[in-house]
Amino acid sequence: EVQLVESGGGLIQPGGSLRLSCAASGFTVSSNYMSWVRQAPGKGLEWVSGISPGGSTYYADTVKGRFTFSRDNSKNTLSLQMNSLRVEDTALYYCAGGRSSASIFDYWGQGTLVTVSS
Amino acid sequence: EIVLTQSPATLSLSPGERATLSCRASQSVRSLLAWYQQKPGQAPRLLIYDSSNRATGIPARFSGSGSGTDFTLTISSLEPEDFAVYYCLQRRDWPLTFGGGTKVDIK
Repeated sequence: EVQLVESGGGLIQPGGSLRLSCAASGFTVSSNYMSWVRQAPGKGLEWVSGISPGGSTYYADTVKGRFTFSRDNSKNTLSLQMNSLRVEDTALYYCAGGRSSASIFDYWGQGTLVTVSS
Repeated sequence: EIVLTQSPATLSLSPGERATLSCRASQSVRSLLAWYQQKPGQAPRLLIYDSSNRATGIPARFSGSGSGTDFTLTISSLEPEDFAVYYCLQRRDWPLTFGGGTKVDIK
C-alpha cells in the first residue's frame, strides 16, 4: 500500500524558516514526479513546487527564491525548505505524486499545517 | 503561467441529475489536463487524467473531454458521495496550475 506522510508543520513568525518532510512507503519517490501542493484555509488548491525523476525542480512564482524542494533517495523522503515565510504562506501542505512519466497525482498525503503569524 | 478558469463556481443539483463542469485554459494545454475531487477534511483524489482517462477505481459515471483550451467534466448521474469540490490541473507547462474549483452542492 502506498503511503505519503508529511511532517514538520507548525506555527512560525513571519520571516522565519521551516522544513517540511514527506516520507513515502510502498512507492519510490526518486522514480516519480513529485510535488508539493498547498491549500490556504477555506481556499482552493495551489501547486507549489515539483521535482522530476531526474532531479529537476520547479516552483510557483509565489515561492521561487524562498522555497527549495529536495529529495533523499536513501531515505525515500522529500523535503521542502521554506525560508522568508510570509503570512500568505499559511496553508495545509500536501505532498503528491504517482507517475514516473508525468505530474499526475495518484497519491496524496494528509497534509501538514503551516501557520505564519506573529 | 497558464491560467485555468473553472465555471460555474457553484453548481446546485439533486441526486440523480447530470453535472457538467467546465475548465478553460488561457492557452492550449493540449490534452494535459486532470480533474481532482476534494471532500471536506480530505486530501484531493484523482478522477481523470490527460483529459479523458479515468483513474483507477473511478466509477464510469465520471467522464472527461476536451483538448486545447476547453475541457469538461461530466458526472452522468449524481450520487450522494459526489457532492464535493472539483479542481482541474494542467501539466502542459511549468508552473503547474489549478483552476479555482467548482463546488457541487445539494439543491
